[in-house]
Amino acid sequence: AIQMTQSPSSLSASVGDRVTITCRASQGIRNDLGWYQQKPGKAPKLLIYAASSLQSGVPSRFSGSGSGTDFTLTISSLQPEDFATYYCLQDYNYPLTFGQGTKVEIK
Amino acid sequence: QVQLQESGPGLVKPSETLSLTCAVSGYSISSGYYWGWIRQPPGKGLEWIGSIYHSGSTYYNPSLKSRVTISVDTSKNQFSLKLSSVTAADTAVYYCAREVVNFDYWGQGTLVTVSS
Repeated sequence: AIQMTQSPSSLSASVGDRVTITCRASQGIRNDLGWYQQKPGKAPKLLIYAASSLQSGVPSRFSGSGSGTDFTLTISSLQPEDFATYYCLQDYNYPLTFGQGTKVEIK
Repeated sequence: QVQLQESGPGLVKPSETLSLTCAVSGYSISSGYYWGWIRQPPGKGLEWIGSIYHSGSTYYNPSLKSRVTISVDTSKNQFSLKLSSVTAADTAVYYCAREVVNFDYWGQGTLVTVSS
């Protein structure tokens, strides 16, 4: 199975900060990667698919990049509603595997 | 608007079988795509359990494969999860989701507790 290593596991940031989260795959996965946001008690929400495509309705401050083994989710200007946990998911092959998650907290 | 809703017992005894159903509205399962189950133990990360195509072909997480069965009922527009021989480690929120490119629509999730 492909291992997805996500970092950092948590970070503290202020409103307006630029935030970057990374995900590394144990083997090449082309651009078959998605990013999710999850708030407490809620289902995950798809933000980015195919590594860099913005899901409909998601604010443009979210962006994704990368291909192969290294991927990045960037929030250009952190907003109060962005404090949440973020996960990556590779859908290159089965079994699908998630990163461990990154909790974004208020500084 | 595509909607998914999980249903099933919230409490299951150890060694018994967990059974959940996901009812889909706003989209016909027969039209295509894969449909998946994902779980999240309390305070932990997400784990993919398995996925099923409308034709019935399935993929399972190897760590659960011996205990998991996912099936689809296109006439009722729903799909189901069975997990046998459960232990406390199977206590989690269970989500169903549509798998297009990644999982684009999710159910709200249902907490299943394994306890006697």
